[in-house]
Amino acid sequence: GAGVSQSPRYKVAKRGQDVALRCDPISGHVSLFWYQQALGQGPEFLTYFQNEAQLDKSGLPSDRFFAERPEGSVSTLKIQRTQQEDSAVYLCAIRTEGNEQFFGPGTRLTVL
Amino acid sequence: AQSVSQHNHHVILSEAASLELGCNYSYGGTVNLFWYVQYPGQHLQLLLKYFSGDPLVKGIKGFEAEFIKSKFSFNLRKPSVQWSDTAEYFCAVTSFGNEKLTFGTGTRLTIIP
Repeated sequence: GAGVSQSPRYKVAKRGQDVALRCDPISGHVSLFWYQQALGQGPEFLTYFQNEAQLDKSGLPSDRFFAERPEGSVSTLKIQRTQQEDSAVYLCAIRTEGNEQFFGPGTRLTVL
Repeated sequence: AQSVSQHNHHVILSEAASLELGCNYSYGGTVNLFWYVQYPGQHLQLLLKYFSGDPLVKGIKGFEAEFIKSKFSFNLRKPSVQWSDTAEYFCAVTSFGNEKLTFGTGTRLTIIP
């Protein structure tokens, strides 16, 4: 969607492994969001960046989840010591000047 | 805290039937409302949005939605559905000072040719 790529598209991890999910927006978007979408559910907010500043991380489910956007462009969501309940699609979105959020294709994480 | 309810979990219609998907939100202040669609194997796409003004908003592919403030509702409608409308539909809300989207659980729409 609208200039947001995510990688990898699919990730299989063994329980206890660390994973890193990448979001690469087309340049110029100030606001970047991460959401988690479990099977059969709507996306749920994880965290929000304005440039490199993480303004809201209230949705991160545990301290195993960490996100960063050091140069205000590419963002990485890291999950340490993955658990089965972390299996979900992780979505990245950018907000336009028109206050609309456009989503990337997502990364489907499966934890075995 | 804001929340969104979509009471129709799975809707099955024949082609050319009319569609209405329910969406109710809970938040007492000013809201921005959205409908997103996810076609099979594709990413979330914005169908339409309401920020202010005319409560009847038109989106892509013939969809429209009506904001009824007194009912806290933002139902999605289409007069005549097509097989290609088969998808998952999500209603979402943001509010003043709250940047994140809060989504409903989604409605799966299946159109039978």
